[in-house]
Amino acid sequence: QVQLVQSGAEVKKPGASVKVSCKASGYTFTDYYMHWVRQAPGQGFEWMGRINLNSGDTNRAQKFQGRISMTRDTSISTAYMELSGLESDDSAVYFCVRAVLIGNWYDYWGQGTLVTVSS
Amino acid sequence: EIVMTQSPATLSVSPGERATLSCRASQSVRTNLAWYQQKPGQAPRLLIYGASTRATGLPVRFSGSGSGTEFTLTISSLQSEDLATYYCQQYNAWPRTFGQGTKVEIK
Repeated sequence: QVQLVQSGAEVKKPGASVKVSCKASGYTFTDYYMHWVRQAPGQGFEWMGRINLNSGDTNRAQKFQGRISMTRDTSISTAYMELSGLESDDSAVYFCVRAVLIGNWYDYWGQGTLVTVSS
Repeated sequence: EIVMTQSPATLSVSPGERATLSCRASQSVRTNLAWYQQKPGQAPRLLIYGASTRATGLPVRFSGSGSGTEFTLTISSLQSEDLATYYCQQYNAWPRTFGQGTKVEIK
């Protein structure tokens, strides 16, 4: 069965960076896109960007340009999202989400990684 | 960016009754719309894609309809396990955007 297992919760100081991993199993890793979406406490969802797991090409939301890096390691079926210059309003649950190539809806979600930014 | 507006914010429905959730897009998204269910403390789950196609294994009491800018998610006979927040999301344009959610409560 398809599983996306994310790394554990993080606590970071303002200005620091965080790197979240997302290990995929149960399907051919490179046949899909991986998107990154976050949810601030009690809020809705915000799309951050996506990576083509085959080519490595990325697209980022304008809001995160210059702050977000998305990579993947196909040898271990793992995608990564690194966010730099953290501020308090970056405190949120970060999700990796698998997107079908044709259509792009999200058919599987990781369990989420809580990132807390606090001095 | 396309703004997705959901209504109502909260919906209280008795078990066995119909629940109707609405989602409006600020511009046409054709049928490139999905619905997700999020239970407290859990990751979201795909319910509907293509505005009306049920995800694999989804109970038939869930149905989606609409195109363009107006969409509806219907739960024909609400069950206690349907307590959750429901989100619509458009995947027609960048950036992808979500509605703010409708919280379904059991009356």
